Amino acid sequence: TQLLEQSPQFLSIQEGENLTVYCNSSSVFSSLQWYRQEPGEGPVLLVTVVTGGEVKKLKRLTFQFGDARKDSSLHITAAQPGDTGLYLCAAGINDYKLSFGAGTTVTVRA
Amino acid sequence: DAGVIQSPRHEVTEMGQEVTLRCKPISGHNSLFWYRQTMMRGLELLIYFNNNVPIDDSGMPEDRFSAKMPNASFSTLKIQPSEPRDSAVYFCASSLNSEAYTFGSGTRLTVV
Repeated sequence: TQLLEQSPQFLSIQEGENLTVYCNSSSVFSSLQWYRQEPGEGPVLLVTVVTGGEVKKLKRLTFQFGDARKDSSLHITAAQPGDTGLYLCAAGINDYKLSFGAGTTVTVRA
Repeated sequence: DAGVIQSPRHEVTEMGQEVTLRCKPISGHNSLFWYRQTMMRGLELLIYFNNNVPIDDSGMPEDRFSAKMPNASFSTLKIQPSEPRDSAVYFCASSLNSEAYTFGSGTRLTVV
């Protein structure tokens, strides 16, 4: 059983459309991270959210941490082919250990 | 900085052979992690070093797996003997004080 459940598992959209991916858990976390992984590469950190209800924006990407710090969402506005990749959420379960979700594979068609 | 450097990028070996994966972390980072990624299990932490000392090896699947960090700029993950079920992508990551992780590009291991 995954500590972090990500949905949907796969998402394929046309360039210019919006998308939202979700990361849910029954546990409370002090912080949560989002990574993007491109084929043949390692995950790259996009953002860390630490405060319940926090919203962070990174260009066309908007990240939200749930009020209860159990869930998070990533919204991409006007998706572009360069947004294609595996989006992973991760949460710290102790001082150093991150638990990763299974990820959402996003494909943006030109 | 060149980031976390892993070698080789790809490794194909026969069952029973010894495999050694290498990692050079980012200079100044004091935490190093070895992860394994598979379709079935996603990203799993194998072992964590802090200041070159192994702190948590609870994720190492079997005694066939071993890891060392002889100095702050180099770590190895060894599998001996290798088995087909070890086929996966192995990532090394480093961080400063276990904050933002920087991952390497990974080593894709295929054991036939």
